[in-house]
Amino acid sequence: AQSVTQPDIHITVSEGASLELRCNYSYGATPYLFWYVQSPGQGLQLLLKYFSGDTLVQGIKGFEAEFKRSQSSFNLRKPSVHWSDAAEYFCAVGAREYGNKLVFGAGTILRVKS
Amino acid sequence: EAEVAQSPRYKITEKSQAVAFWCDPISGHATLYWYRQILGQGPELLVQFQDESVVDDSQLPKDRFSAERLKGVDSTLKIQPAELGDSAMYLCASSSGGPNEQYFGPGTRLTVT
Repeated sequence: AQSVTQPDIHITVSEGASLELRCNYSYGATPYLFWYVQSPGQGLQLLLKYFSGDTLVQGIKGFEAEFKRSQSSFNLRKPSVHWSDAAEYFCAVGAREYGNKLVFGAGTILRVKS
Repeated sequence: EAEVAQSPRYKITEKSQAVAFWCDPISGHATLYWYRQILGQGPELLVQFQDESVVDDSQLPKDRFSAERLKGVDSTLKIQPAELGDSAMYLCASSSGGPNEQYFGPGTRLTVT
């Protein structure tokens, strides 16, 4: 069965510090991967996506993620966190073989302290 | 910038009552999704439409939930009767199909009392 694991439920970082959010997946097909961000009470906004090609992808708001097939991971990074980055982050995986539907992780809540 | 519209944004209903949610996808998007997001969890797909046809409703509790997209544009998700466990955020998303990103609406927060 397809699954996505985000091992960290909560992460707290200081403003200006670097950030890495982990995502591991288990999928029986060649996946494509997304990171979404959700502010309280809001819908999901796409940060970045990986379909193929260069395994380091750049997204909006200074975020990047690296696809590592050997580790089944797609970790999200940002070199310097801003207070406005506080939100919940979701990793999602899909595959054409599964009808392109997305399977989401449980999310990681990011808190930023000043 | 085009957005996915959803209404209502918030809904409080008593258990055993009927409730309906509406979604208007981005113009031209053939694929429409309804997700349920329980507090503290990621979204879970309930139903996926391609134009007016259902392509995946394997996780839809069909004894009480129904979804339609009659003209292949906007869509309605209905729950009848609502149960306490249905309290969640209901998210609609659309895409142009294939492995393209899904664009999400603001969601409808349902509280069943």
